[in-house]
Amino acid sequence: GESVGLHLPTLSVQEGDNSIINCAYSNSASDYFIWYKQESGKGPQFIIDIRSNMDKRQGQRVTVLLNKTVKHLSLQIAATQPGDSAVYFCAETGGYNKLIFGAGTRLAVHP
Amino acid sequence: NAGVTQTPKFRILKIGQSMTLQCTQDMNHNYMYWYRQDPGMGLKLIYYSVGAGITDKGEVPNGYNVSRSTTEDFPLRLELAAPSQTSVYFCASQPGRASSYNSPLHFGNGTRLTVT
Repeated sequence: GESVGLHLPTLSVQEGDNSIINCAYSNSASDYFIWYKQESGKGPQFIIDIRSNMDKRQGQRVTVLLNKTVKHLSLQIAATQPGDSAVYFCAETGGYNKLIFGAGTRLAVHP
Repeated sequence: NAGVTQTPKFRILKIGQSMTLQCTQDMNHNYMYWYRQDPGMGLKLIYYSVGAGITDKGEVPNGYNVSRSTTEDFPLRLELAAPSQTSVYFCASQPGRASSYNSPLHFGNGTRLTVT
């Protein structure tokens, strides 16, 4: 069935380093992918999205890469800051108006 | 704009009790969603609505009901609470389809429900 998962449940990085959070998806027909950030006690916040006809999309300090050959999605955060500490979710379209979320990766930024 | 507002923030229910989780949005979004998030897990879709008067089941609808009488409000009803419904519930809204650019889901801050 359709599923979205993550390779690493936790990621620890030093402040100022670049972070890479990975995600695998199983539905080759998915055409839209989103990364969300969730801070403790809050709802998920949109970070960046990408369509399946693109390989890369950049935002402010974030880049999403999509490799459709191996069904892999990654989120790169440049110059990671303490405020980036959160749980990050990838999500894919699993059908009409239905996003399927992965389990999440916790990013811990150390000074 | 307040965005997506959920009430209450916390609730403890006894097994068999009923309650309604409230969700309202002031962005005039057509699409609204209810998700549940179990500890250490991702979000699972319970119900969604593409407009007033229209609702449909998501991945895990059993034990829940919804209604959408207005664009702004999308309440989630638990009729007979069970311990398996202990979770954090998130409401979200969106102006367009899930596959539309520049229309990501806007989430509320959640309702933490415990059923004992």
